[in-house]
Amino acid sequence: QQQVKQSPQSLIVQKGGISIINCAYENTAFDYFPWYQQFPGKGPALLIAIRPDVSEKKEGRFTISFNKSAKQFSLHIMDSQPGDSATYFCAATGRKLIWGLGTSLAVNP
Amino acid sequence: DTGVSQNPRHKITKRGQNVTFRCDPISEHNRLYWYRQTLGQGPEFLTYFQNEAQLEKSRLLSDRFSAERPKGSFSTLEIQRTEQGDSAMYLCASSSRQVPPRDEQFFGPGTRLTVL
Repeated sequence: QQQVKQSPQSLIVQKGGISIINCAYENTAFDYFPWYQQFPGKGPALLIAIRPDVSEKKEGRFTISFNKSAKQFSLHIMDSQPGDSATYFCAATGRKLIWGLGTSLAVNP
Repeated sequence: DTGVSQNPRHKITKRGQNVTFRCDPISEHNRLYWYRQTLGQGPEFLTYFQNEAQLEKSRLLSDRFSAERPKGSFSTLEIQRTEQGDSAMYLCASSSRQVPPRDEQFFGPGTRLTVL
């Protein structure tokens, strides 16, 4: 049973465009929702995170939108750059991280 | 560098051999996690320590796997009698409930295991 569902599985965006990745969760006990960025051969790196008492968090070009009633959250990457090409994972946690299956993002120059 | 470190970065071994990996967490973090990641998949939780106590083990962790954190600092993950299916990236992460940012897990670079 996948407790955190992530979509799309892969995404191709033109340079300067907006990348949007969506996640949905089931467990209302989750209280922390991070996004991780992973480049090939590297460990995941925390990108941005949000707690359920906030509906939106923005850090530079990265924004998390959070809808507690719908149990959904999404990552928006504004002005996408080729250097953003990586795999992105959403996750949710109470005591331990539950991961989505990842989205492979390719930003074309 | 005060991040999570893992050694070795790469390990190639023959089937049936034992391997041991080491993780050094961020010094003020009392929680340490081991994950396994195969190509194209997200990390899979293996086990979790709070200080020196191993609080949870995944069903993925067979009897051939053992993890320790003897003094609540570094941790080791040992795989006995390795099988080809053990080939994966083994990731370590650490976090703290006391030190901000609370609960955020910081990952090491991983140890890539290849079993021939």
